[in-house]
Amino acid sequence: DIQMTQSPSTLSASVGDRVTITCRASQSISSWLAWFQQTPGKAPKLLIYKASSLESGVPSRFSGSGSGTEFTLTISSLQPDDFATYYCQHYNSYPYTFGQGTKLEIK
Amino acid sequence: QVHLVESGGGVVQPGRSLRLSCAASGFTFSSYGMHWVRQAPGKGLEWVAVMWYDGSQTNYADSVKGRFTISRDNSKNTLYLQMSSLRVEDTAVYYCARGTGGDVLANWGQGTLVTVSS
Repeated sequence: DIQMTQSPSTLSASVGDRVTITCRASQSISSWLAWFQQTPGKAPKLLIYKASSLESGVPSRFSGSGSGTEFTLTISSLQPDDFATYYCQHYNSYPYTFGQGTKLEIK
Repeated sequence: QVHLVESGGGVVQPGRSLRLSCAASGFTFSSYGMHWVRQAPGKGLEWVAVMWYDGSQTNYADSVKGRFTISRDNSKNTLYLQMSSLRVEDTAVYYCARGTGGDVLANWGQGTLVTVSS
């Protein structure tokens, strides 16, 4: 199975900051990577698919990059609604797996 | 608008069975692969199972293989998860999700809570 490792596990930042979350796959997954945002008590929301494609309706301050085994999610200017937990997930082959999550907290 | 509604969760004793349902609307259900994903309390997301759009293929996480069975009824626009030999560690919110373009989990239901406890 492909393992997904996110870093950091927790990130403290302020409104207006630029932040980057990293996701590493244990083997190449080409660009078959998605990023999700989850707030407490809610279902995950798709932000990015195919490593760098922005889901419809998602603000352009979110961007994704990478291929192979190294990927990043960048939020260019944090807004209050962005403080949440973020997960990467590969869909290269079954079983699909998620990273352990990165909790983005207000500094 | 895509709408997914899970049901069937509840409290069940270890070793017993439970069946979850996911009612779909707002899209052509029979054209999409469907997934189950779970989240234990305070923990991260865990992919559980998938069934292709026509029911021809299924796949499972190792943690549930042999105990859980995914199925669908395209005439009823409904996805199911039959869970048997339940364990305490199966306690989680269970989400169904639609796979789109390349099998991205683009749409999710609100989830249903399963608690396995004696």
